[in-house]
Formats: sequence, structure tokens, C-alpha cells
Amino acid sequence: KQEVTQIPAALSVPEGENLVLNCSFTDSAIYNLQWFRQDPGKGLTSLLLIQSSQREQTSGRLNASLDKSSGRSTLYIAASQPGDSATYLCAVMGNNDMRFGAGTRLTVKP
Amino acid sequence: SQTIHQWPATLVQPVGSPLSLECTVEGTSNPNLYWYRQAAGRGLQLLFYSVGIGQISSEVPQNLSASRPQDRQFILSSKKLLLSDSGFYLCAWSTVGVNQPQHFGDGTRLSIL
Repeated sequence: KQEVTQIPAALSVPEGENLVLNCSFTDSAIYNLQWFRQDPGKGLTSLLLIQSSQREQTSGRLNASLDKSSGRSTLYIAASQPGDSATYLCAVMGNNDMRFGAGTRLTVKP
Repeated sequence: SQTIHQWPATLVQPVGSPLSLECTVEGTSNPNLYWYRQAAGRGLQLLFYSVGIGQISSEVPQNLSASRPQDRQFILSSKKLLLSDSGFYLCAWSTVGVNQPQHFGDGTRLSIL
């Protein structure tokens, strides 16, 4: 059974810092991995999706990497801003089954 | 463009009362539909998914049921709510296929008293 772990559970950084969020999964037989952002009391917004054949995806200040063999993905946020404060979730898609991590709660202080 | 709607946004219900949460998708046909629950401080747990009208798959045994009466309508129900049913419920859709991203609604915060 796929298990997805996100470390750290919470992270607080000053504005302007570059930061990395980590996601690990136990079963490397995945179709894709998706990073989401969730604001308090809101639904999920998709940030980046990496297909299993890809190594990374970039969107603006965000870069997500995937190392399927080691069961790891990272989300890199450059030049963080207070508006980046949210919970970031990673999810891996298996055989029509998406498993989520518990998320990393990010706070960017002005 | 495709949009997904969930309602209500928040709901407070007494133990033992019935439940009906609705989710509709616009701008696409024959989507896969999903219901998730997010307990406080925990990841999302898939409750049900549907690949077509009347086709429901359940991931975990529970007090809830789901129905898909129309192509783009997905309903989460319970006859008698339990305290443990409290949580944040999210509906999602994806296009057909195993490698498609899922798109989420804004969720329903359900509190059981």
C-alpha cells in the first residue's frame, strides 16, 4: 500500500528565502506526482504535475523534481513571499488511486 | 473552461441526522468523480470514486454512501451521522484515464455536534 510522507510538517521562513519542501513515497510504481496548495478552509489548487517519465516541472518561482527510483519529490520555492503562506500537499497517482501526504504548512513572514 | 462546485461550504449537523453534500462539474463530459475527506492535521483520504453514472467504488468501509444520478453530479450521503464524520470534504474530477490530474472543489466543512 502506497504511503506518502511530507517533511517538515510545518515551516516558517522570512520573506525572500528560497525553500524546499520534501515528499517521499514507498511504492515507486506511480503514474504521476502532483503538488497542490491549500489555503485555510479552502480546496486544493494544483501547482505542478510531474509525469512518471519526467524529472522536473517548473512554473514561475516553483520547481518540482521527481526521483522515482528513490521515492522522492521536492518542491522548490524561490524568493518566497507572504502570499506563498499555505499548506502544500503532494499526491502520487497509482493505479487509479491517488494518495496524499499530510502536507507541509508554510508560513512566510514579512 | 471546466468548473467544479460544492455546496454547502459549511454545515453543522447533530449526531444521528442525515447528510447530503452535492458536487457538480461544468464544462466537461463523462468525468471521473471523487469524494475525499480531510481530517484535522491529516492527509486526504479517498472515500469514493465514480467512472460513470450509477458506478460507485468505495475505498473504505464507513458510515457514508455516494451516488451519481447524472453524468456531472456526485452526491455524498449518510442516513445517520456520527461524531467521527466531522471533517473537510472535498470533491474532485478528472478526465477519463489513469494518468490525468485531479481538480478540486472548494470543499465543505462538516461539524457534527
